[in-house]
Amino acid sequence: AQKVTQAQTEISVVEKEDVTLDCVYETRDTTYYLFWYKQPPSGELVFLIRRNSFDEQNEISGRYSWNFQKSTSSFNFTITASQVVDSAVYFCALSGSGTYKYIFGTGTRLKVLA
Amino acid sequence: EAQVTQNPRYLITVTGKKLTVTCSQNMNHEYMSWYRQDPGLGLRQIYYSMNVEVTDKGDVPEGYKVSRKEKRNFPLILESPSPNQTSLYFCASSLARGKGTDTQYFGPGTRLTVL
Repeated sequence: AQKVTQAQTEISVVEKEDVTLDCVYETRDTTYYLFWYKQPPSGELVFLIRRNSFDEQNEISGRYSWNFQKSTSSFNFTITASQVVDSAVYFCALSGSGTYKYIFGTGTRLKVLA
Repeated sequence: EAQVTQNPRYLITVTGKKLTVTCSQNMNHEYMSWYRQDPGLGLRQIYYSMNVEVTDKGDVPEGYKVSRKEKRNFPLILESPSPNQTSLYFCASSLARGKGTDTQYFGPGTRLTVL
């Protein structure tokens, strides 16, 4: 069975602090795909990144970076120098190559205080 | 503009009154899916469709029906809504080049309240 765990329900940081959102997954598939989505207070779901299981390189996009470690089944997301506009709920998701199903974590609510 | 649209955006109804939430995409995507979002539970997949006339159950299909008669449309049907179906619903679509591979693009959401 596939599972995604986001143990941090809510995180509060002060603007300009760095923050890491954790994502731990379980799957029996050898090929799988991991995703991060952002849900701002307006409610829409915004795609941030997709990573396949064969690519363990870390990725950086501006203030965002992702650390994928197969050894610990983790796909963590770091925001550097956080801003108030980063306040949102962030979801990690998993899909295996053997299925058309997508499994989402329960989300982490990030509050960035000015 | 490439987008996924859902209607209605907000709906308040009563127990047992059949309703349909429509979903349409203009990106020629093969894959479409419905999710419900509940506090503390994240997004849970209700049904998905790999192509026209091909649908399958997600993790929480009970009480819902879907159909995929056209590539662009994927309506969600609640034949006899109950209060436990009060939720925020999202439709999503993606290419289906391989199982689980593609990024899903989400509609704006439909907030449903069943009294």
